[in-house]
Amino acid sequence: EAQVTQNPRYLITVTGKKLTVTCSQNMNHEYMSWYRQDPGLGLRQIYYSMNVEVTDKGDVPEGYKVSRKEKRNFPLILESPSPNQTSLYFCASSEYQGMGDEKLFFGSGTQLSVL
Amino acid sequence: AQKVTQAQTEISVVEKEDVTLDCVYETRDTTYYLFWYKQPPSGELVFLIRRNSFDEQNEISGRYSWNFQKSTSSFNFTITASQVVDSAVYFCALSEADDKIIFGKGTRLHILP
Repeated sequence: EAQVTQNPRYLITVTGKKLTVTCSQNMNHEYMSWYRQDPGLGLRQIYYSMNVEVTDKGDVPEGYKVSRKEKRNFPLILESPSPNQTSLYFCASSEYQGMGDEKLFFGSGTQLSVL
Repeated sequence: AQKVTQAQTEISVVEKEDVTLDCVYETRDTTYYLFWYKQPPSGELVFLIRRNSFDEQNEISGRYSWNFQKSTSSFNFTITASQVVDSAVYFCALSEADDKIIFGKGTRLHILP
């Protein structure tokens, strides 16, 4: 089954404790991206990647890191989480068409709480 | 800078009524894509439609239709004969040539039985 898999589904952590949210897709998609969803703010893009070893900042990259060492995986790293990073996070992938033509397939989301 | 505005934060209609969700965008690019996504109460995000800037044809898919007008920078979404299962948050999104994607803040649609 074609899917984007995020783990964990729920995560509670404390300020400053490094964490990684994993994202994997089995559709051989070139394009992958991360979003956070906050009430009243909609979805905001954190980082995106158009292929292996190629990553770019989205609208809200501060406090996050990503890596794209393999085509299928695109982990989101919070080196020193803070309470304002408490949010619902979504990973998504797309067959890369270029010029903005990115029909996204989303993971199920990761609810992160930073205490 | 690119921007997507969904002015309607929340809409409630009675089942079987028609409802239109507005989406207004800003971009300096001539090549761009517009999208609509649905987020039902279960939380997943589902792709509904994509339209490129060179294709202003309106599209109909069952009870769903989309009206793209470059002259007003709008990409509105209409649900005809709404059903309770249409209750969801709907997001409009814009993607330009650099593949960065901007979402609107979403419209929460309640269909009342």
